[in-house]
Amino acid sequence: AQKVTQAQTEISVVEKEDVTLDCVYETRDTTYYLFWYKQPPSGELVFLIRRNSFDEQNEISGRYSWNFQKSTSSFNFTITASQVVDSAVYFCALSESRGANSKLTFGKGITLSVRP
Amino acid sequence: NAGVTQTPKFQVLKTGQSMTLQCAQDMNHEYMSWYRQDPGMGLRLIHYSVGAGITDQGEVPNGYNVSRSTTEDFPLRLLSAAPSQTSVYFCASRPGQANSPLHFGNGTRLTVT
Repeated sequence: AQKVTQAQTEISVVEKEDVTLDCVYETRDTTYYLFWYKQPPSGELVFLIRRNSFDEQNEISGRYSWNFQKSTSSFNFTITASQVVDSAVYFCALSESRGANSKLTFGKGITLSVRP
Repeated sequence: NAGVTQTPKFQVLKTGQSMTLQCAQDMNHEYMSWYRQDPGMGLRLIHYSVGAGITDQGEVPNGYNVSRSTTEDFPLRLLSAAPSQTSVYFCASRPGQANSPLHFGNGTRLTVT
């Protein structure tokens, strides 16, 4: 069975600090997909990124970057120069490749607070 | 674009009452699902559907029923509400491919007293 572990539950930083959110996953499949979602205080769930298991390239999008390492089954998310608007709950999720029947399994989430 | 629409946004029920949470999507997505979010538990899958007429159980299906009579709609029924079902419920949809991200509704906050 697939599993996602987000060991950090709450992180508090001061604005402009860099912060890394950890995600470790378990799966028996060789093809799978990893996702990060953001849930701001308003409550909606916002898709941030998807990574395929066969693509280990890291990705950068503005202040956000993601480090995917199959060797350690990790898909970590770094926010550079954090801002108050980054305060949210962040979820890592895993989908195994079952075609239409693929289910998305979420970690328990990390609450990030960025203080001014 | 409406995306995924959930109603109601808030609901209070008494123990034993029944109700239906509505979910509709206008993106012609084959896959729809219901999750519940509880503090410290992340999002857990209740039921899902890969197309009209097809439903299946997720991780925490007990106490909930679903049906999928059309591609657009995927209602979630609570047959006899219990305090343990107090939660925030999210409906989500995606195209049929497993690598497609889920599109979420804005959630329904349900309190059972």
